[in-house]
Amino acid sequence: GAVVSQHPSRVICKSGTSVKIECRSLDFQATTMFWYRQFPKQSLMLMATSNEGSKATYEQGVEKDKFLINHASLTLSTLTVTSAHPEDSSFYICSARETGTLIRTEAFFGQGTRLTVV
Amino acid sequence: KQEVTQIPAALSVPEGENLVLNCSFTDSAIYNLQWFRQDPGKGLTSLLLIQSSQREQTSGRLNASLDKSSGRSTLYIAASQPGDSATYLCAVKDGNTGKLIFGQGTTLQVKP
Repeated sequence: GAVVSQHPSRVICKSGTSVKIECRSLDFQATTMFWYRQFPKQSLMLMATSNEGSKATYEQGVEKDKFLINHASLTLSTLTVTSAHPEDSSFYICSARETGTLIRTEAFFGQGTRLTVV
Repeated sequence: KQEVTQIPAALSVPEGENLVLNCSFTDSAIYNLQWFRQDPGKGLTSLLLIQSSQREQTSGRLNASLDKSSGRSTLYIAASQPGDSATYLCAVKDGNTGKLIFGQGTTLQVKP
């Protein structure tokens, strides 16, 4: 199956700093990528849909100025958590769907990034 | 608004037992339903994907069924093993929005 690589897998940062998380599709092109957030013992919640070459679409309640998404190429989307605070500590996971495939096609997930803000 | 519920939240069984995990969704307008496995602190591993036109999918000891009209899916695990211990997530691709909506998961423990 297709591979989605997410980096870093773990990051600890100080409160007030910014953190960038990368999501790469290694063996396919992805016009659309998705960013999810998972709190401990809770399910995944979609944060935003990232589209190559255009602005991301954010879900209700997600601050777009807080969580900056850039999808500048067909294989890379980045999520930057700006001015991070302890409440931003969470598990962030991306997924990608191959360009040109139907909406019902399976999306592939990265391995996630554990963000801890101290 | 589509909602996905998984029951039970946690399950503990002895090794070798067959078990069933349940997933229900409120809106039958879906593209597909997918079962995932998540180990602690790790990402998602896709187990089975059932398209809306299908009734079931099988992979090894796993069998997933889909009854779209009643909004239900089950994941059957045969001859469970300690290595099956993980959290199992069910997700539907909503037919109205195209978004993947996840359940809360069932945490399974298989005791040796």
